[in-house]
Amino acid sequence: GENVEQHPSTLSVQEGDSAVIKCTYSDSASNYFPWYKQELGKRPQLIIDIRSNVGEKKDQRIAVTLNKTAKHFSLHITETQPEDSAVYFCAAASYKLSFGAGTTVTVRA
Amino acid sequence: EAGVAQSPRYKIIEKRQSVAFWCNPISGHATLYWYQQILGQGPKLLIQFQNNGVVDDSQLPKDRFSAERLKGVDSTLKIQPAKLEDSAVYLCASSSEGGGPYEQYFGPGTRLTVT
Repeated sequence: GENVEQHPSTLSVQEGDSAVIKCTYSDSASNYFPWYKQELGKRPQLIIDIRSNVGEKKDQRIAVTLNKTAKHFSLHITETQPEDSAVYFCAAASYKLSFGAGTTVTVRA
Repeated sequence: EAGVAQSPRYKIIEKRQSVAFWCNPISGHATLYWYQQILGQGPKLLIQFQNNGVVDDSQLPKDRFSAERLKGVDSTLKIQPAKLEDSAVYLCASSSEGGGPYEQYFGPGTRLTVT
């Protein structure tokens, strides 16, 4: 089955700086790569996703890049704000989602 | 648009007892998923329904877990008997794209504690 690895497990950034989270996957058949944000005690929220026919996608301060050859994808958050503090999960899917272990992002004011 | 609804939000039971969780997906979403999220980990798929049929239950511990979606809308997930290692948040998700894992929206989850 699919194996998704996510790094780093924790990330602390100064407000206004950028944050980058990287994920690798094992199944070359995977064609869908969403990112979820989960605040403490709340539901995972879909914040951005990318499909394998696209190399990059951007939505305001967040962007995702995909390298299918290397089987890795990344989340970029620019101009970080305190409300960006949360756990972020990457996932990969061919027919079902497999999630990474999560990255706890802390934005220091 | 109302989101995915789940109940109860919290449940505490003793090991060997039974428990049931309920999920109501976003209106019109044909695909429904149940996930288990253990503290500090990402969600793990337990079962996927397309309308009222099971698409994937390969990771469902069938000796103790069961799920149904009789009318293709609401779903229930049951654990009987519960074990200590079942302590987790049980998340329900739904999506509108039939047959694929795309754009899944999660409910608030049920936090289960087994003592």
